[in-house]
Amino acid sequence: GAGVSQSPRYKVAKRGQDVALRCDPISGHVSLFWYQQALGQGPEFLTYFQNEAQLDKSGLPSDRFFAERPEGSVSTLKIQRTQQEDSAVYLCASSLNSPKTGGTYNEQFFGPGTRLTVL
Amino acid sequence: AQRVTQPEKLLSVFKGAPVELKCNYSYSGSPELFWYVQYSRQRLQLLLRHISRESIKGFTADLNKGETSFHLKKPFAQEEDSAMYYCALWSLYGNKLVFGAGTILRVKS
Repeated sequence: GAGVSQSPRYKVAKRGQDVALRCDPISGHVSLFWYQQALGQGPEFLTYFQNEAQLDKSGLPSDRFFAERPEGSVSTLKIQRTQQEDSAVYLCASSLNSPKTGGTYNEQFFGPGTRLTVL
Repeated sequence: AQRVTQPEKLLSVFKGAPVELKCNYSYSGSPELFWYVQYSRQRLQLLLRHISRESIKGFTADLNKGETSFHLKKPFAQEEDSAMYYCALWSLYGNKLVFGAGTILRVKS
């Protein structure tokens, strides 16, 4: 079956523009995560959804970042008034159940990422 | 604070040589640790997790709580092992993965 998909794969924005990044998780997956990966770094957690509920947004770097998952499937990460430091790969991941069901980590499946370049 | 450290940005070995990718962590409590791999032009994928104690593609990793390490090892490297490897920790404080910066493994023929 299809894995996690993300669109667009590449996005170039001028500083100050708003951008919207889309994530289509694996069908039926309850949990959805967003990560930001700066050049030369590992992915860093941004936010987590369980169905439509955003349970953790502690990793969002500023109030310019906003994520939603209104129907518990597709998610959008929006960045307002983009800055050069927002340039990164944005990764989406989904997992079948909530992260620690029954005491076992539920594997997160990652999408290909969206590479955002802010000029 | 939870932190994962991978001290090597790049590890270059010859085919058939042993490989050890280093990972150290800081965490309060009993961690769950993983190795993720990203092959060229492919997405990030789980390689192995410490609780399963299994060998995947010839790789193993042992959790050493005394040294707070989770090094990834393979006795004989193959060219197809060339990839970016990330060590990650599952944080109970927020239900999230905490990644190291990654190590590029290059296996030369």
